[in-house]
Amino acid sequence: GQNIDQPTEMTATEGAIVQINCTYQTSGFNGLFWYQQHAGEAPTFLSYNVLDGLEEKGRFSSFLSRSKGYSYLLLKELQMKDSASYLCAVKDSNYQLIWGAGTKLIIKP
Amino acid sequence: IAGITQAPTSQILAAGRRMTLRCTQDMRHNAMYWYRQDLGLGLRLIHYSNTAGTTGKGEVPDGYSVSRANTDDFPLTLASAVPSQTSVYFCASSDAGGSYNEQFFGPGTRLTVL
Repeated sequence: GQNIDQPTEMTATEGAIVQINCTYQTSGFNGLFWYQQHAGEAPTFLSYNVLDGLEEKGRFSSFLSRSKGYSYLLLKELQMKDSASYLCAVKDSNYQLIWGAGTKLIIKP
Repeated sequence: IAGITQAPTSQILAAGRRMTLRCTQDMRHNAMYWYRQDLGLGLRLIHYSNTAGTTGKGEVPDGYSVSRANTDDFPLTLASAVPSQTSVYFCASSDAGGSYNEQFFGPGTRLTVL
């Protein structure tokens, strides 16, 4: 079966750095997405990786290792507004997104 | 309209009733999707449409039907609602084809079936 694993919840301090991991087992691979979802709102796109390596976008970076079935989202200089759930999703061989359950990130002052 | 809209925002429904959730996008995206999101589970695909006039079944299609008469609209119908269909429903759209096509999400419909 297809599976996306990510931690259920993480806590970090304002101004710090946090890394959210995602491991996946899917039938085929056509890219990995990270989305942010604030409570009660819709998911919004953060990043996309299809080749191995690090993609940086401001305070957020995303890393992919296809051989290991592994990705992480790195958030730097954490702000209170970063408190949200972070969803990892893989596009499979049918170009459909398979979603992890999400990681709830709690930022403390 | 800007992006994707969904209606209603929330609904309480008696079991056995028929319900249609509406979704409209103005981005001229070819592909549209319906997901449900339940606590502790990832988004699960119900149905999708790669282009107007075509639809496909996702991971959890039972009890739901869709139609895609034009590019903009993608309604989701529950023919006879059951309590297990209590969930938050998200509609999404994207350009079809290829690997890199991010999905844009509507604000969601919170449905409670009693």
